[in-house]
Amino acid sequence: QLQLQESGPGLVKPSETLSLTCTVSGGSISSSTYYWGWIRQPPGKGLEWIGSIYYSGSTYYNPSLKGRVAISVDTSKNQFSLKLSSVTAADTAVYYCARLDSSSWYEDVWGQGTTVTVSS
Amino acid sequence: QSALTQPASVSGSPGQSITISCTGTSSDIGVYNYVSWYQQHPGKAPKLMIYDVSNRPSGVSNRFSGSKSGNTASLTISGLQAEDEGDYYCSSYTSSNTLRVFGGGTRLTVL
Repeated sequence: QLQLQESGPGLVKPSETLSLTCTVSGGSISSSTYYWGWIRQPPGKGLEWIGSIYYSGSTYYNPSLKGRVAISVDTSKNQFSLKLSSVTAADTAVYYCARLDSSSWYEDVWGQGTTVTVSS
Repeated sequence: QSALTQPASVSGSPGQSITISCTGTSSDIGVYNYVSWYQQHPGKAPKLMIYDVSNRPSGVSNRFSGSKSGNTASLTISGLQAEDEGDYYCSSYTSSNTLRVFGGGTRLTVL
């Protein structure tokens, strides 16, 4: 059974870079059928798609994040990672990683989520 | 402001049916049958309930159904149960300058 687990610091200072890793277990990140993505949810608000990556490194990003986001993949470790630079309090959220079906574009497996707070 | 528009809340009594709408544009719901719906309980990760407008993943109750007309998709839950209470989000593939868009979410209350 495929499982995804987010990891990373729970507290980040304003203007610094948020870094999270998603570890995939029970399946290969190199599958040709799927993309791998990040979605976030600010406290009390809805879901926001951040971006997705293919095992080959091909990426899509939400342009609203204005070039602050970068997603990378490490197939040798079965992991993919998120970096969000120049963070502000508005980036405080629960961050989810998820598997994205690349034929129909839906997230079918989600991590449990990790809370990241931006504060000095 | 979310790219897809959902009502903030809906409610229904046990056994009744409710429908949640999700309105997009001609760049997403209007041209692609890649609409999905997610259920989220407090403190939990979203769960896929519907994909490709009307398909249910294995294990999802057939009380959940999806449809689409023009730029609007809908999720219908029949035979409401207390366990259906939670937040519901629609999503779509989009040909605009992003890949995916979500709705703002709808809070379902089972009275």
